[in-house]
Amino acid sequence: DVKVTQSSRYLVKRTGEKVFLECVQDMDHENMFWYRQDPGLGLRLIYFSYDVKMKEKGDIPEGYSVSREKKERFSLILESASTNQTSMYLCASRELGLAGEFFGPGTRLTVL
Amino acid sequence: QQQVKQSPQSLIVQKGGISIINCAYENTAFDYFPWYQQFPGKGPALLIAIRPDVSEKKEGRFTISFNKSAKQFSLHIMDSQPGDSATYFCAANSGYSTLTFGKGTMLLVSP
Repeated sequence: DVKVTQSSRYLVKRTGEKVFLECVQDMDHENMFWYRQDPGLGLRLIYFSYDVKMKEKGDIPEGYSVSREKKERFSLILESASTNQTSMYLCASRELGLAGEFFGPGTRLTVL
Repeated sequence: QQQVKQSPQSLIVQKGGISIINCAYENTAFDYFPWYQQFPGKGPALLIAIRPDVSEKKEGRFTISFNKSAKQFSLHIMDSQPGDSATYFCAANSGYSTLTFGKGTMLLVSP
């Protein structure tokens, strides 16, 4: 059974903290993605990666960075968390050349 | 920006009825149109998808209808059940590009 796992389901952080969200996939997929989901705004792409050590900006990269040191792991970093980054964060992966993405369960981040 | 416009925002259907969610796109290069289903507290899951070489695809009670000339596609849920209550997202992309998602439709199937 294919799986995308995220390190935390719920996370509470304070403004200004550095936050790491981890995502691991066991499907040997080349492509990995980070989205945030907010009511009324749908899914918005933050960053994605086509291969190890590669990263591309999505639609809303400001305030975020990513790291992909291993094929199966894709990390989202909030360098200095702010209240407007309170959201549901979703990680996804996709096999190169195929179009369907597999999503993790999400991390609900609250920044106080 | 490439857009996928989804409607309605929310939908209430009686058990046994037909749920219909519509999406329209602008980019004629799009060649893959998936629908995702998301239950509360879960990540979206791929439900059904279509490519533009066919006008309809059916999987169980779920059907995608595709109109290439109108640049529209829709999800039909036949014999809707309370367990179908979820948020549904349409999406589209082409080749190796990232998916463009609609804003979602919250479906409630009343018993």
